[in-house]
Parts: sequence; C-alpha cells; structure tokens
Amino acid sequence: DIQLTQSPSFLSASVGDRVTITCRASQGISSSLAWYQQKPGKAPELLIYAASTLQSGVPSRFSGSGSGTEFTLTISSLQPEDSATYYCQQFHSFPLTFGGGTKVEI
Amino acid sequence: QITLKESGPTLVKPTQTLTLTCTFSGFSLTTSGLGVGWIRHSPGKALEWLALIYWNDVQRYSPSLKTRLAITKDSSKNQVVLTMTNVDPLDTATYYCARRVWNYDYFDNWGQGTLVTVSS
Repeated sequence: DIQLTQSPSFLSASVGDRVTITCRASQGISSSLAWYQQKPGKAPELLIYAASTLQSGVPSRFSGSGSGTEFTLTISSLQPEDSATYYCQQFHSFPLTFGGGTKVEI
Repeated sequence: QITLKESGPTLVKPTQTLTLTCTFSGFSLTTSGLGVGWIRHSPGKALEWLALIYWNDVQRYSPSLKTRLAITKDSSKNQVVLTMTNVDPLDTATYYCARRVWNYDYFDNWGQGTLVTVSS
C-alpha cells in the first residue's frame, strides 16, 4: 500500500497568512494526487486533482504542486471560511489511500 | 446537478450485516469511465477508502476489508449498495458514497454521509 504522510497535522494561522501543507508518498505516484477540504459535519469537497489542477468553483487562493513523492497544498491568503481539515489522496494504485489530515485553525 | 445520498441503519449490533444504499442523480453508471465509491470516516481517524464499482461492473476493494465487503449497482435505479458483514464497534463511522470522476480514481461529488454506530 502507498502511505501518505501529511504535515503538519495541525496548524494555527491568521487571516491573510500564506499556508502550506505537505503530503509525502511512500513511493512515487507521478501526479496522481487529489486534495480535499472537509469542514466539521460535512462531506469532503474536492479542491485539487492531478496534483495541481484546481477543481471548478474552487477559489484561486488554493493551489497545488509537486510530483513523484512530495506534494504541497498552498492557501495564498487564508480566509475565515478555510478553517477545515485538509486531506490528500493518491489514485496511482489500489488500494486508494488518504493522508492523515491537516487541521487548519484560524 | 449531481447529487448522492446515503441511506441505511443508524445502529447495528456487533456481528450483524450492514447494508448501505447510495442513491444518486445527475449522472448514469452506464456512462463509460464513471464509478461510485464508498469511503468512511471514523471518529478521530483519517478517511478510509472501502470499495469502488465501475460502469462496467468491475469492483475494487480495500484489501483489509475485502472479505467482509460487497459492492453492487443497479443502474436502472441509480443506486449502489455496499454490504459489510460481521460488523464490529470499530466499524462505527460516517459512511460516504462519492462519484469517481471519468477515468480517474478520485472523487468529485460526495454524499452528505450517514453515521453508523455499531453497538450492542
């Protein structure tokens, strides 16, 4: 199985801050990575797929980069509504796996 | 507009079989390349992928749960059913169904989730 390790597991930041979350894969997964945002009591929402492609309707302050084993999700200017837990998911091979999550507090 | 909604029991006893139904609209599972998956979220844990069924009826399962899971589809009813046998309190979680995007195994639309508690 491909393990995904997210860091940090928790971060606290202020409105307007630039925030970066890292997802490391235990083996190369090319660009087969997606990022999701999950707010308490809600279903996850797709933010980014193929490592760097923004899903339609997602604000442009979100961006993704990376390939192989190291990936990042960046929020360029943190907004109050970005308070959530963020997960990466690899779709390079089965079983599909998710990272442990990063909780972002504002 | 694409929607998915999970339904099923909220409380199940240990060793029983859990059956969850995902009813969706806005797409068809007869469309080549599409699929529906099940993912769960246990309290304090990360998301866990369980199973996936494709338009062509191919099924994929989490190896750790494969012996206990079965996923089926009824394209005429726009439904996907997940069955989990021999449930345990550790299976307590919110269960989500989600649409697999065309030709790639990530999920662009999710249901609201259904909380299942396993307890005697």
